[in-house]
Amino acid sequence: DAKTTQPNSMESNEEEPVHLPCNHSTISGTDYIHWYRQLPSQGPEYVIHGLTSNVNNRMASLAIAEDRKSSTLILHRATLRDAAVYYCILRDVWGGGADGLTFGKGTHLIIQP
Amino acid sequence: GAGVSQTPSNKVTEKGKYVELRCDPISGHTALYWYRQSLGQGPEFLIYFQGTGAADDSGLPNDRFFAVRPEGSVSTLKIQRTERGDSAVYLCASSFGLATDTQYFGPGTRLTVL
Repeated sequence: DAKTTQPNSMESNEEEPVHLPCNHSTISGTDYIHWYRQLPSQGPEYVIHGLTSNVNNRMASLAIAEDRKSSTLILHRATLRDAAVYYCILRDVWGGGADGLTFGKGTHLIIQP
Repeated sequence: GAGVSQTPSNKVTEKGKYVELRCDPISGHTALYWYRQSLGQGPEFLIYFQGTGAADDSGLPNDRFFAVRPEGSVSTLKIQRTERGDSAVYLCASSFGLATDTQYFGPGTRLTVL
């Protein structure tokens, strides 16, 4: 799977929007962009995924650059419960099948009350 | 419904001992994954089962690590002759087995090797 680059940490205030960036300049045409997050002392949980178009769900939005070399996870109104490590992961649906996820170090999101 | 469960939640053992970690996936999920997470790092893939067979075991660090899933449901990760470097949180995940499927993770087993 292609590599992703994320900032080590970010800080935001409660009830404000948060934009978490991810660079994936070597992404291939069949790579989906997935985001997972890991709350303290828990296993990772799925947040959102997309291929080319922007995606929205009840947890977040995913904005994908037109050239697909970067993406941004958007939390519209952060709460203290959103404090977690956020991982941006690429999955090749053709070559990799349902293989294991390749996690990097992710972005540690700190929410200030 | 019930999520992925893992037992025990914590395991303390001595160097050189054998340990077994258990994972109960979500009912109906054909794919099952094991990961290992060291402090301050993201989870690291170990092995992936599709049904009863190991579809990819390329992440197992050495032959002291072995995993089974005999009936295509519960899986056991087995570690022989444990070393202090094996101390980590071992995570299990399951999915329906398609490439874009969400993986659902358990809470993990924290293994400490003294």
